[in-house]
Parts: sequence; C-alpha cells; structure tokens
Amino acid sequence: DTAVSQTPKYLVTQMGNDKSIKCEQNLGHDTMYWYKQDSKKFLKIMFSYNNKELIINETVPNRFSPKSPDKAHLNLHINSLELGDSAVYFCASSQDRGPPVFGPGTRLTVL
Amino acid sequence: DAKTTQPPSMDCAEGRAANLPCNHSTISGNEYVYWYRQIHSQGPQYIIHGLKNNETNEMASLIITEDRKSSTLILPHATLRDTAVYYCIVSHDYKLSFGAGTTVTVRA
Repeated sequence: DTAVSQTPKYLVTQMGNDKSIKCEQNLGHDTMYWYKQDSKKFLKIMFSYNNKELIINETVPNRFSPKSPDKAHLNLHINSLELGDSAVYFCASSQDRGPPVFGPGTRLTVL
Repeated sequence: DAKTTQPPSMDCAEGRAANLPCNHSTISGNEYVYWYRQIHSQGPQYIIHGLKNNETNEMASLIITEDRKSSTLILPHATLRDTAVYYCIVSHDYKLSFGAGTTVTVRA
C-alpha cells in the first residue's frame, strides 16, 4: 500500500519542453506539497495546497504551476524547461498540520 | 522558523546507540522540533517530533533540553539500514525547511 506515490520516477527531457509530474496520496490527508531537492541536496518547499487551495507559493518561477483536481492529487506542471530545473522533486502530504509524509521522488533531468 | 545546527557527519557502530545532536538556540515557544531522515535516493522519512517533552516511538527517542535550545535524537540500536542523512528541523507549522543535515554512517 503506497501512501504517497509519484509518476514518473525518472523524467529526461530537452530544454524548452513542457512536462508534468503526478502525485497521489491515499492517506486521506488534507494538505499536499511539492518540494525540490537540488544537486547540493538541499530540500526546499515549493508549493502547498490545503483542500485544493494554494496556501504556500514560495519564490518559484511561474513556469511551475501546481494543479490539484481533488484532495488526493497534486500535479506539478513545468513549462519551458531549463537546465536549472534538473533536480529531484518530492511530493508530500499531511493532515491537520502534522508531519508531512513524502513520496519516493521524481528525478528530472533537462538536457 | 528557527535555524538549526547539526554536525555534518558522524559514525556509529552497529548495535550501539547513535546520539545525534541538534542546536536550535533561537527556537520560539510555539515551534516544534522535527527529525527526518533520507536514505540514499529515497524520499525523506519522518522519525519523530516534539515540543517540550521528551518523546519516544518505535524508531527513536527525542530528548529536548529544558530551555529547548538543543535536542538529541537517539537511535537505540543502530543497524546498517540506519545509514542516512538525518535532518533536524524547527517549525511552527507544516512548512518544513531542511538544512544540510548529519550524514550518519553505521559501520559493522
């Protein structure tokens, strides 16, 4: 039983392309997040959604757009990919401001 | 959120207790101390969190000093599978900021 799942696990694409990463949680949590881990291994929050509403939007380029069709899903769309977008992206979820549960990550490589 | 300071790395012998220190001298009264770990190439895994009192669960114990300016994560019987980067995070809400953490290597 996967708690927080992400697809795809690996994503290799060319600069300028548009791509999406999907996230689903089956924990019944009301808050979902996207984090980015760069090459230096620092993990930083990008977005947070609570009950399908955006509540945190860190200083992320507007090429990144989260979309939450329902409480169990939070997808990340990235337009006009750049080399610097290469990173591991983690989805997470939590309930009532409890500690987030993280997914396995999606390694994005932009060539 | 208050910043934390952790040693960059530490070694531990298999079967022995691992004590991971964390300084958070600027912590506020409503901020919790969270511990996560990240095993190579996996997502961060929640370990434990606390506000003032010491906490224990099936994975670890968390000891918070009375002034709350520092804490220690204790892995009671370290195994090779506990080799990971351990993150100490202080936050008053769900917005967690991860630092560099401590790379813990458990040796046989």
